[in-house]
Amino acid sequence: SSELTQDPAVSVALGQTVRITCQGDSLRSYYASWYQQKPGQAPVLVIYGKNNRPSGIPDRFSGSSSGNTASLTITGAQAEDEADYYCNSRDSSGNHGVFGGGTKLTVL
Amino acid sequence: EVQLVESGGGLVQPGRSLRLSCTASGFTFGDYAMSWVRQAPGKGLEWVGFIRSKAYGGTTEYAASVKGRFTISRDDSKSIAYLQMNSLKTEDTAVYYCTSLGVVVPAAMDVWGKGTTVTVSS
Repeated sequence: SSELTQDPAVSVALGQTVRITCQGDSLRSYYASWYQQKPGQAPVLVIYGKNNRPSGIPDRFSGSSSGNTASLTITGAQAEDEADYYCNSRDSSGNHGVFGGGTKLTVL
Repeated sequence: EVQLVESGGGLVQPGRSLRLSCTASGFTFGDYAMSWVRQAPGKGLEWVGFIRSKAYGGTTEYAASVKGRFTISRDDSKSIAYLQMNSLKTEDTAVYYCTSLGVVVPAAMDVWGKGTTVTVSS
């Protein structure tokens, strides 16, 4: 399967922890990357590989994976974390990219 | 500073063609694969395709939705990646982003341009 499935929307109280998940068969073979997108802006890479953050990404962002599910965890969510989050990986062939449908995160 | 700038978007009629450009700076362009991602209005991200570096044959891969209509190419001497879009359909209307692969971090679409808007309409 070349699909990645995400919950359409998730909410979290300010300062609390939230997990955003991404499911797909290809995740058994390939790591997911995670992208944050705010309205009117280009996506920004926040997590890649097993659990790596690019320079400048706060350490409250972390990633994990188990079986066919990858997760993005925000520990101590801030108002500025409100955004759409997309997972990305390869399809089962390994030659094509694929995105999840995206999760809209609301910080209450 | 690594930077990508897309250009070439605009309004085009169904069935016509358009070529997008992605001009790169701040890194040795020829050493890296480049990809294109699009986002239809109000929708999620869709992977369009990518081109490998010459060291890996410069070969390309495409999403099923564009295969046979879109072609990705590169001019390493100018640090530009192209997306040639033929036989455009209304459903190709989207913001098109260019991304680098593995320039700043390994094995991820690590740097994105701001995007260029393509509108396919009669």
